[in-house]
Amino acid sequence: GAGVSQSPRYKVAKRGQDVALRCDPISGHVSLFWYQQALGQGPEFLTYFQNEAQLDKSGLPSDRFFAERPEGSVSTLKIQRTQQEDSAVYLCASSGVAGQGLGSPLHFGNGTRLTVT
Amino acid sequence: AQKITQTQPGMFVQEKEAVTLDCTYDTSDPSYGLFWYKQPSSGEMIFLIYQGSYDQQNATEGRYSLNFQKARKSANLVISASQLGDSAMYFCAMREGQRSGGYNKLIFGAGTRLAVHP
Repeated sequence: GAGVSQSPRYKVAKRGQDVALRCDPISGHVSLFWYQQALGQGPEFLTYFQNEAQLDKSGLPSDRFFAERPEGSVSTLKIQRTQQEDSAVYLCASSGVAGQGLGSPLHFGNGTRLTVT
Repeated sequence: AQKITQTQPGMFVQEKEAVTLDCTYDTSDPSYGLFWYKQPSSGEMIFLIYQGSYDQQNATEGRYSLNFQKARKSANLVISASQLGDSAMYFCAMREGQRSGGYNKLIFGAGTRLAVHP
């Protein structure tokens, strides 16, 4: 497709379960970002990939969160031993420009809504 | 410290009227960009408009314009001739330039919920 695709759209997990969220960015986009959006809040940065390299993971809230993009296209955000506070919408975004282009907008997917019970 | 501040949790506007959504930002980087995104209830983030710190003129995109006041560090979004479909959350975001380490994450504000009434 033409846009950023995320799956699943909704995920319900029991506390303690592991989850994996997938992001398929726009074809050819170099930069890929993951954001976490709590209910009623703005998106918070989690991590950034330039191709397959994870250049910034400073936003990951704990070592239970792990992201990868092994071939520089599809990315997976994994959350181990989920907790209730992990409940949020996880947004993936891609951009064609790496390291330059202040004006290059991020193109977002529709997000995955994670609910931990 | 908050990098992006949106002080209006909610705004109401009558259809066909103009509305201004406020955004102030904080950065010491001389090179930065400011963005506005719209998020309808369906959840997708839709890019609306961009303003660069060195741009001399205020950005405009159709019914959207950005009132950029650099000295005040404000970047308010103006929506003219509001439509019912404009009802959504609106987020202001900033990307810093020189200190970005070679990449460009966006930092978002908390958002403003706009309701357009018929």
